[in-house]
Amino acid sequence: QVQLVESGGGVVQPGGSLRLSCAASGFTFSSYGMHWVRQAPGKGLEWVAFIRYDGSNKYYADSVKGRFTISRDNSKNTLYLQMNSLRAEDTAVYYCAKDLVGAANHWGQGTLVTVSS
Amino acid sequence: QLVLTQSPSASASLGASVKLTCTLSSGHSSYAIAWHQQQPEKGPRYLMKLNSDGSHSKGDGIPDRFSGSSSGAERYLTISSLQSEDEADYYCQTWGTGLWVFGGGTKLTVL
Repeated sequence: QVQLVESGGGVVQPGGSLRLSCAASGFTFSSYGMHWVRQAPGKGLEWVAFIRYDGSNKYYADSVKGRFTISRDNSKNTLYLQMNSLRAEDTAVYYCAKDLVGAANHWGQGTLVTVSS
Repeated sequence: QLVLTQSPSASASLGASVKLTCTLSSGHSSYAIAWHQQQPEKGPRYLMKLNSDGSHSKGDGIPDRFSGSSSGAERYLTISSLQSEDEADYYCQTWGTGLWVFGGGTKLTVL
């Protein structure tokens, strides 16, 4: 069955960097676009970034543009999110999700990122 | 601008039915959406994709108690025979070119 497992979260100081990973299994990873979505404590879901199945196009929310970079390694079935210049407002649980013609049809369990001094 | 609007809260009694609403912004009434459930302290779970004509396709293992329907710019999620485990946040989600949009979520309380 489809599995998405995020890792790499933790506590980081404002201005710091962190790289999240999402290990995918149970489907042909290289055939699907993938997203990162985050959820601040007590808040709703916020879309962060999208990458096409082959990495040819990437899209970002305005709130992270220029600071975050989404990438993928189809040979390793892994999705990444490089987060630089982190701010307190980036504190959230970060989820990776698989795109099926627009719908988020599988989600990971999430990894918590805390930006605090 | 593509926006999804949901009521912040809803409630219904154990064993009853409830209908949650997600409204698409003006000019986007033909868009399909997806419904997701998030139980307390858990990640989201995909329920179904819902088209503008009311046809829908559910995720693996989603019970028949969950169904979707559409009317104009409104997209509905109906949960029948409510169970305690249905108490959760419900999010609608749609998409544009390379981006996703989420509604603010509806917190469902099962009385």
